[in-house]
Amino acid sequence: QKEVEQNSGPLSVPEGAIASLNCTYSDRGSQSFFWYRQYSGKSPELIMFIYSNGDKEDGRFTAQLNKASQYVSLLIRDSQPSDSATYLCAVEKNQGGKLIFGQGTELSVKP
Amino acid sequence: GAGVSQSPSNKVTEKGKDVELRCDPISGHTALYWYRQSLGQGLEFLIYFQGNSAPDKSGLPSDRFSAERTGGSVSTLTIQRTQQEDSAVYLCASSLAGGSYEQFFGPGTRLTVL
Repeated sequence: QKEVEQNSGPLSVPEGAIASLNCTYSDRGSQSFFWYRQYSGKSPELIMFIYSNGDKEDGRFTAQLNKASQYVSLLIRDSQPSDSATYLCAVEKNQGGKLIFGQGTELSVKP
Repeated sequence: GAGVSQSPSNKVTEKGKDVELRCDPISGHTALYWYRQSLGQGLEFLIYFQGNSAPDKSGLPSDRFSAERTGGSVSTLTIQRTQQEDSAVYLCASSLAGGSYEQFFGPGTRLTVL
């Protein structure tokens, strides 16, 4: 079992729809959770981070964390073609800064 | 500089040769990380430096891989006796401090081992 798992996709949604990206992790002691966006041929950039159970909203993005289920998700409202990218879920172990990444979910937003 | 820089941007080498990859972190960032990303895959943690502490080398895949960070700033990742499976994009990131701080990534070095 991988430490951080994501569906590789591609996930295709129409413009204006809600895109839902999911991630599960195996280490119950994990503390911090990150979503990075990576455009093709580019480096990852941080979208959101979340530490506490529940929802965290930032503009069109909402991160959701459920530690009991070891599940973290990213919702993108009013999806735009410019959101088309690979979304990487990352989990920090033991507050040491070391991030364990999932393989990423490719999102395609169709005009 | 404004961001993390890495050099070279591309490196093609022959199997068995040694290579050195360089990373210049954001000024003032005390934490520095190396990851690698194989085609179509997520990022694989390699090594982490935080200030003057001993580095976390737990992600290095073999003893052919080593890294150092001089003067708490520039870091060099060295791969000895390269193998074809070492071909990947090697990404460096830095953060203000260790722990749950945003990691800023450099543009990466694409390594191809023939």
